[in-house]
Amino acid sequence: GDSVTQMEGPVTLSEEACLTINCTYTATGYPSLFWYVQYPGEGLQLLLKATKADDKGSNKGFEATYRKETTSFHLEKGSVQVSDSAVYFCASHSGAGSYQLTFGKGTKLSVIP
Amino acid sequence: GAGVSQSPSNKVTEKGKDVELRCDPISGHTALYWYRQSLGQGLEFLIYFQGNSAPDKSGLPSDRFSAERTGGSVSTLTIQRTQQEDSAVYLCASSPLHSSNQPQHFGDGTRLSIL
Repeated sequence: GDSVTQMEGPVTLSEEACLTINCTYTATGYPSLFWYVQYPGEGLQLLLKATKADDKGSNKGFEATYRKETTSFHLEKGSVQVSDSAVYFCASHSGAGSYQLTFGKGTKLSVIP
Repeated sequence: GAGVSQSPSNKVTEKGKDVELRCDPISGHTALYWYRQSLGQGLEFLIYFQGNSAPDKSGLPSDRFSAERTGGSVSTLTIQRTQQEDSAVYLCASSPLHSSNQPQHFGDGTRLSIL
């Protein structure tokens, strides 16, 4: 079955530092890939998505590029803010008779002033 | 517009009791999903509805868990004879239709605590 592996946290960064959260996947065929974010006390929100190889998803200064050759979808941001403190989940959805999103275990990011 | 609404937001109950969790999806969304988020297991898929039918119940962990959806809208997840390992946050999501490139929109979840 599908699986998603993302770097374990927690990750603590100073404000304005660069962020990379690694995510790799195994899936049947060519899945769609997503990053979701969960702010403290809130539900999951879609951050960005990419549905085919070489697509780049972007939102709120975050970016991730769908790399088929390395089966990766790493999340990046050039300059983090305190308000980016949250748990980030990488997810895949392969279709092909599968109805579920397959999630990584989440990476907790804390940004300190 | 209104997002996915779940109730109650928190539920504390004694072991052995039955609980019912409710999900009201975004209006017009035909696909509805239930997930469970727990510390040890991360996010686990439970069940998927297309309209009122459930083509995929593969994630339900035991026969104590059941779900239904009526009128193609509101869904309820029922856990009978609750056990302490059922303690988790239960998340509901919906999407306009089921497709691998459609994002799922999540509610804030119901935090279930079994004493």
